Amino acid sequence: DAKTTQPNSMESNEEEPVHLPCNHSTISGTDYIHWYRQLPSQGPEYVIHGLTSNVNNRMASLAIAEDRKSSTLILHRATLRDAAVYYCILRDYGAGSYQLTFGKGTKLSVIP
Amino acid sequence: DVKVTQSSRYLVKRTGEKVFLECVQDMDHENMFWYRQDPGLGLRLIYFSYDVKMKEKGDIPEGYSVSREKKERFSLILESASTNQTSMYLCASSSSGTSGGNEQYFGPGTRLTVT
Repeated sequence: DAKTTQPNSMESNEEEPVHLPCNHSTISGTDYIHWYRQLPSQGPEYVIHGLTSNVNNRMASLAIAEDRKSSTLILHRATLRDAAVYYCILRDYGAGSYQLTFGKGTKLSVIP
Repeated sequence: DVKVTQSSRYLVKRTGEKVFLECVQDMDHENMFWYRQDPGLGLRLIYFSYDVKMKEKGDIPEGYSVSREKKERFSLILESASTNQTSMYLCASSSSGTSGGNEQYFGPGTRLTVT
């Protein structure tokens, strides 16, 4: 799977928007961009995924650059419950693989 | 609500013991996965299964085996536990299909300590 690069940590004030960046300069045409997060003492949970177009769901928005070499996960109003490690993962569906390869992620701290 | 359950949250075993970690999902998913998570190393895939009685090695299968006799249940077996297998073990499941999503649903994890 192609590699992703994320900042180790970020901070946000409560109720402000948060933009979590991810670089994936070697992304291939069949790679989907997935985001998962892991709250303290819990298993990871799915947040959102996309291929080329920007995506919105009840948890977050995903903005994908036109050349697909980077993406940004947007939390519109951070809450204390959003403090977690956020993982940006590429999945190659062209290879028929269902595996996820987790990197180190970005640890998001939310300040009250 | 979708659910992946793991048999224990915490487990303490002795070196050399045979250890069984059980995972059950109620979503009729074809794929099931076992990961371990260690500080500084992130999540690493041990084994996965895409069908009953089928299994594939992940990145770190050494010292582990798996069993999938029924679709909803995937077991991780440590034949002879060692201290370097002290870790958090996470089970996950996902559907098959080509929609591009196929998100994985994770259980709460089992923290295994081998003494």
